[in-house]
Amino acid sequence: DTGVSQDPRHKITKRGQNVTFRCDPISEHNRLYWYRQTLGQGPEFLTYFQNEAQLEKSRLLSDRFSAERPKGSFSTLEIQRTEQGDSAMYLCASSLGSGSQYFGPGTRLLVL
Amino acid sequence: GDSVTQMEGPVTLSEEAFLTINCTYTATGYPSLFWYVQYPGEGLQLLLKATKADDKGSNKGFEATYRKETTSFHLEKGSVQVSDSAVYFCALLNNNAGNMLTFGGGTRLMVKP
Repeated sequence: DTGVSQDPRHKITKRGQNVTFRCDPISEHNRLYWYRQTLGQGPEFLTYFQNEAQLEKSRLLSDRFSAERPKGSFSTLEIQRTEQGDSAMYLCASSLGSGSQYFGPGTRLLVL
Repeated sequence: GDSVTQMEGPVTLSEEAFLTINCTYTATGYPSLFWYVQYPGEGLQLLLKATKADDKGSNKGFEATYRKETTSFHLEKGSVQVSDSAVYFCALLNNNAGNMLTFGGGTRLMVKP
């Protein structure tokens, strides 16, 4: 399978804990995106990387959120001091340049 | 800013019925337009796209035509199947305003046998 993969698929955590998600893009894709989707809504953009450089960040990305793509391949998204409002599906996508974005299966986060 | 508006669901159809899901957009410049489909518990799958006015995107019997004059990108299928039951998202990519996709709220389609 050469699609976008995400790990874990599900995460349950208690409020105040830190969580980290991983995304592995399609191997030849140089751009990687993070989106957040709440129940019944469309995805909302969080941030994107071109190779290892983080080029754009949404105002949705509070200072509790940090994303990295250290070697220009996989990426991690960390949420510190989680809040109940962080409960959502976190989606990763990748593209070759400005081509079509292909999404992974997502990580569903539940903050208790 | 850019925005996408979709018809609210759910849309309930019988198998073999004709499907239309309306999508209109607001954007500066000349965005690319997309339809994605999401099956329960899964991520989004790219269904079709169009990159300029009057282009028609098509895939798996679904079609959508980029209409700049009406700022629309309505999704159609001539004969739906039970397996088409999913949530459909219209989206735009405006290279003049960053590289992020802007999504509509999604339309749930339920097809009954």
